[in-house]
Amino acid sequence: ETGVTQTPRHLVMGMTNKKSLKCEQHLGHNAMYWYKQSAKKPLELMFVYNFKEQTENNSVPSRFSPECPNSSHLFLHLHTLQPEDSALYLCASSQEVFFADTQYFGPGTRLTVL
Amino acid sequence: AQTVTQSQPEMSVQEAETVTLSCTYDTSESDYYLFWYKQPPSRQMILVIRQEAYKQQNATENRFSVNFQKAAKSFSLKISDSQLGDAAMYFCAYRNSNSGYALNFGKGTSLLVTP
Repeated sequence: ETGVTQTPRHLVMGMTNKKSLKCEQHLGHNAMYWYKQSAKKPLELMFVYNFKEQTENNSVPSRFSPECPNSSHLFLHLHTLQPEDSALYLCASSQEVFFADTQYFGPGTRLTVL
Repeated sequence: AQTVTQSQPEMSVQEAETVTLSCTYDTSESDYYLFWYKQPPSRQMILVIRQEAYKQQNATENRFSVNFQKAAKSFSLKISDSQLGDAAMYFCAYRNSNSGYALNFGKGTSLLVTP
């Protein structure tokens, strides 16, 4: 599969569970992003990694923990989530973090927290 | 802070017709990029077109073109010869060197294409 892939596509979890979202990009990019997409709201940036280093944490609660082992893979570890965390989580990548670099998105993981 | 406004929550167009989606943005910067993304029901966000603010010529990609009015801070997307596969949410987005790493997105316009 080409571009940006995300697994799983759907996830249902209880508030006490621990789960992880995975993102992989096949574009040779060096920057990766996690966005949250909630109904009726604009996309919200959560985390940014550039060359495996976290460059931004956009005031995200600690129950979300990102991990970037290399430039091609990005994880979002989830624990003790709240029902309001239910949303579509989108991963994106770009060549680097320059503002001129186009971001390419994955298909998203639809997360439901019960 | 930069904001992006899409004033049309929903739009409808007949196949083969032309539709224009509006987008306005607020910025004090002179150097920035604007984007239109398409998100079909399958959820993959796809780049449709992008415009560099320093370019006066409007960007075009096949049936998709933009009307970029820098002074008015307007960036509309025109879809010509609409096809059923164009049905999707369309998001306008903005980014400049001072807006951090995020793309600033509007709330989106849902486009329905009718046969």
